[in-house]
Amino acid sequence: SQQGEEDPQALSIQEGENATMNCSYKTSINNLQWYRQNSGRGLVHLILIRSNEREKHSGRLRVTLDTSKKSSSLLITASRAADTASYFCATGLYSGAGSYQLTFGKGTKLSVIP
Amino acid sequence: NAGVMQNPRHLVRRRGQEARLRCSPMKGHSHVYWYRQLPEEGLKFMVYLQKENIIDESGMPKERFSAEFPKEGPSILRIQQVVRGDSAAYFCASSLGEAAKNIQYFGAGTRLSVL
Repeated sequence: SQQGEEDPQALSIQEGENATMNCSYKTSINNLQWYRQNSGRGLVHLILIRSNEREKHSGRLRVTLDTSKKSSSLLITASRAADTASYFCATGLYSGAGSYQLTFGKGTKLSVIP
Repeated sequence: NAGVMQNPRHLVRRRGQEARLRCSPMKGHSHVYWYRQLPEEGLKFMVYLQKENIIDESGMPKERFSAEFPKEGPSILRIQQVVRGDSAAYFCASSLGEAAKNIQYFGAGTRLSVL
């Protein structure tokens, strides 16, 4: 089953509002990353939070991580129409094959209405 | 300062043909990853390569799929005898160093359609 599960699946807000997306996972992780994907494009890395960190900021982005609940949240403040995209969380962990893998959830589709 | 380059962007194949997807990593990056994305799904890891070596292919289907990253030239994901179920977007990513310590940068993907 999916390691990362985003919630909600879709979110529609007005420009200027804040958007909060959540991610839950099942196993221990080394880090958790958030990516953005515009329709038909590749993924753009937004932010990485290590397992020993609880909160991280980058511009209008704020990420929290609660390893006891195995969950993370991504907050986008003062949203803009250009923030419209799908947002994915990816957990980083060592695989059984001895290497390190990113495992992605299905994503949250964010629509910011001008 | 080019990012990860994938070509072609779109590829149409008939069932039974071969598909070859190419990925040129960012300059200076020697680690490459391939992922597959089905519609409305997240990316699924396929394979992790370093120059001339396959580090982890645990996500690759056992048959028909192969990947290489030669000393010179791009990384190639090869799908032999394609079937309709292979239709997906295939993304390549690269990193400066080993996967555990480095951010992966993604290309725009190749969208494979199998008729």
